[in-house]
Amino acid sequence: GNSVTQMEGPVTLSEEAFLTINCTYTATGYPSLFWYVQYPGEGLQLLLKATKADDKGSNKGFEATYRKETTSFHLEKGSVQVSDSAVYFCALSARPGGFKTIFGAGTRLFVKA
Amino acid sequence: SQTIHQWPATLVQPVGSPLSLECTVEGTSNPNLYWYRQAAGRGLQLLFYSVGIGQISSEVPQNLSASRPQDRQFILSSKKLLLSDSGFYLCAWSGAGPNYNEQFFGPGTRLTVL
Repeated sequence: GNSVTQMEGPVTLSEEAFLTINCTYTATGYPSLFWYVQYPGEGLQLLLKATKADDKGSNKGFEATYRKETTSFHLEKGSVQVSDSAVYFCALSARPGGFKTIFGAGTRLFVKA
Repeated sequence: SQTIHQWPATLVQPVGSPLSLECTVEGTSNPNLYWYRQAAGRGLQLLFYSVGIGQISSEVPQNLSASRPQDRQFILSSKKLLLSDSGFYLCAWSGAGPNYNEQFFGPGTRLTVL
């Protein structure tokens, strides 16, 4: 079945450091891939997405590239800020069952000033 | 624009008491609706989803149930709460069209069962 595996946290970085959160997936067919972010005490919100191989999703300085050959969708940001402290979820959606989204376990990021 | 509401925001209930959490969506029609639970420090567990009025699919057998009495209303219920029902409950919706697989989440309800 479809699944998402992301690196365990927490990840602790200093402000302006480079961020990578690894995500790999298993899916039949051609999934769409997502990163969602959850700030403390809130629901999740979509951060970025990619719908086909080699697509790069980007938003708020974050980016991730859909790599079909390595079944990966790693999240990166060149310079993190304290306000980026949150939990990040990698996710996929694939037919059949395309209206269901499979989420990874989440990676908590702490950014220190 | 579309918005999703959940209430209450927080709830403290004794073991064995009933539960009713409500979720409503505005600004869209015939959405797919979802209930998730997030235990402390954990990932998301899909509990129920619905593709239409009265159509409920359960992902995990447990003492919770869901209902969809109206197109944009989704209710999560329990007759008798357990300690293990504590958690953060999230409602989400997804729509049709090219972005059909994007999910939009409500603010959540934090439930503590004592």
